[in-house]
Amino acid sequence: QVQLVQSGAEVKKPGASVKVSCKASGYTFTSYYMHWVRQAPGQGLEWMGIINPSGGSTSYAQKFQGRVTMTRDTSTSTVYMELSSLRSEDTAVYYCARGMQQLVDHYYYYMDVWGKGTTVTVSS
Amino acid sequence: SSELTQDPAVSVALGQTVRITCQGDSLRSYYASWYQQKPGQAPVLVIYGKNNRPSGIPDRFSGSSSGNTASLTITGAQAEDEADYYCNSRDSSGNHLGNYVFGTGTKVTVL
Repeated sequence: QVQLVQSGAEVKKPGASVKVSCKASGYTFTSYYMHWVRQAPGQGLEWMGIINPSGGSTSYAQKFQGRVTMTRDTSTSTVYMELSSLRSEDTAVYYCARGMQQLVDHYYYYMDVWGKGTTVTVSS
Repeated sequence: SSELTQDPAVSVALGQTVRITCQGDSLRSYYASWYQQKPGQAPVLVIYGKNNRPSGIPDRFSGSSSGNTASLTITGAQAEDEADYYCNSRDSSGNHLGNYVFGTGTKVTVL
């Protein structure tokens, strides 16, 4: 079955970087995009960016431009999200989610499978 | 970047019908997808496209769209439907991969 397994919780100090991994299984890794979404405590979902595992191209939310880097390793079917210059406001659960793009009568864009999330805590 | 606006909270009596709306300019060009999130859990896709349910999602969940507004309807709400619901859509900014945006979220309480 399709699964996304994320790396474990992280505790970082302000100014540091964090790299979260998401290992995919149960499908052809390079055939589907991958999104990263985060959720601060008690807050809503926030889209961070998307990577195409086939060629490695990315698109990032303007808010995170210059601070986020998404990469992939096709040999291990793993995508990574690295966020730098961490501040307390980056404390959140970070999710990876498989991105679907389906042409029916119109293009449908959605996220059909999600990882369980990785908690990142930024504290001095 | 675009925004998607949802009512913060709605309540529905057990077995009754509730509609959750999502408004934003991007919805004039792209269909919304809808996600259910229960406390401490990852979001789950419930509706995508014009009105499509993934396997395993009950048929009491349905979606519709008109102009800049997308709606998620739960017909015959059950206790287990109590959750936060988020809409999401692609928008026209960014490169060929696009940018995406989530709605502000609606907390559904089943009375």
